[in-house]
Amino acid sequence: QVQLVESGGGLVKPGGSLRLSCAASGFTFSDYYVSWIRQAPGEGLELLSYISSRSTYTKYADSVKGRFTISRDNAKNSLFLQMHSLRAEDTAVYYCARGWRDYSGSNLRVFDYWGQGTLVTVSS
Amino acid sequence: DIVMTQSPDSLAVSLGEKATINCKSSQSVLYSSNNNNYLAWYQQKPRQPPKLLIYWASTRESGVPDRFSGSGSGTDFTLTISSLQAEDVAVYYCQHYYSPPYTFGQGTKLEIK
Repeated sequence: QVQLVESGGGLVKPGGSLRLSCAASGFTFSDYYVSWIRQAPGEGLELLSYISSRSTYTKYADSVKGRFTISRDNAKNSLFLQMHSLRAEDTAVYYCARGWRDYSGSNLRVFDYWGQGTLVTVSS
Repeated sequence: DIVMTQSPDSLAVSLGEKATINCKSSQSVLYSSNNNNYLAWYQQKPRQPPKLLIYWASTRESGVPDRFSGSGSGTDFTLTISSLQAEDVAVYYCQHYYSPPYTFGQGTKLEIK
């Protein structure tokens, strides 16, 4: 079965850095876009970033552009999010989510499997 | 960017009754070339990640009970739960995937009356 397991969250001071990881299993990781989506405490969902199957295309929300970098290692079925210059408003649960199959006719851009999330707290 | 606005923010419905959640997009998410609405619905139960319920505005994901249905076109969409069960208590989100950025609505919290 499809599984996505995030790790790397924790408490970090404003201005600090953190690297999140997501270990994927149960599907052909290298065939899919994958994404990071976050949810601040008591708030809704924000799509932060996604990356194509071969890392040729990445997209970022304006709120994290220039501060966060998404990457993947298909050999290790892993997704990463490097976060710099963290702010209090980055405090959230960060979810790894499977996106869509990467082929030319793919237009069903939804997130069908999600991890349990990892909590990032930015506080002094 | 397309803004997704849900209504109401919260609602309470009696068990066995119908629940209706609305989602409005700031511009049409209907792609005219294929007549598909690029709109999905998710359910997030307490302390769980979101779960995909519906895509193409009305297609249920595999395993989703048929009491859940989606309707609408263009800019106005509805998620209907025909007979509310206790396990349906959750926050429901719509999401468009018409063009990047693929944004979510703010969520609608559904409770039992």
